[in-house]
Amino acid sequence: EPEVTQTPSHQVTQMGQEVILRCVPISNHLYFYWYRQILGQKVEFLVSFYNNEISEKSEIFDDQFSVERPDGSNFTLKIRSTKLEDSAMYFCASTRNGIHEQFFGPGTRLTVL
Amino acid sequence: GQQVMQIPQYQHVQEGEDFTTYCNSSTTLSNIQWYKQRPGGHPVFLIQLVKSGEVKKQKRLTFQFGEAKKNSSLHITATQTTDVGTYFCAGISNFGNEKLTFGTGTRLTIIP
Repeated sequence: EPEVTQTPSHQVTQMGQEVILRCVPISNHLYFYWYRQILGQKVEFLVSFYNNEISEKSEIFDDQFSVERPDGSNFTLKIRSTKLEDSAMYFCASTRNGIHEQFFGPGTRLTVL
Repeated sequence: GQQVMQIPQYQHVQEGEDFTTYCNSSTTLSNIQWYKQRPGGHPVFLIQLVKSGEVKKQKRLTFQFGEAKKNSSLHITATQTTDVGTYFCAGISNFGNEKLTFGTGTRLTIIP
């Protein structure tokens, strides 16, 4: 069964450093998303991406965040200058047509020291 | 902005007892989805409800979408240890806008 994959599984970084989180969505899916989940809390929407551009973003997704689909398979989330409060689990998700179930990857745990 | 609340936040039940979580949105939803997240895992899609008053069943799980499309519920009959996890509802406000707003979640633990 096809699945969303994410790398790395755990990223530790120093405050102020840039990080890139990588995702490979399911191959025939067209809509891609990033969510974050602070430990023990709810899943929060960050951004949706369709047709090579951002279709919606939340207030969390400020100028420090960017997304890119550099090739036909990868979907990345970049945080330019990490803050302590960026520590969270980051989930990538994809869906075929935007209105059905979203398939989530296993997540990347980001720890900012 | 849109808020989606769930109650209770935590629920501890004896194995074999029933469990219900309730989801309430501050705005009318076009559809609602339910996800389950096992401890240490990622959200896994359970079901989507679209129509006002819709009821769907999956084995021991019953999902309901309210008439006003602002609330929903998930009921599990005769819980098993495999039901452990956090159950999230997630709403979409407008068709064509695929942003999912997750609820606050209900963490279910089972006492064997």
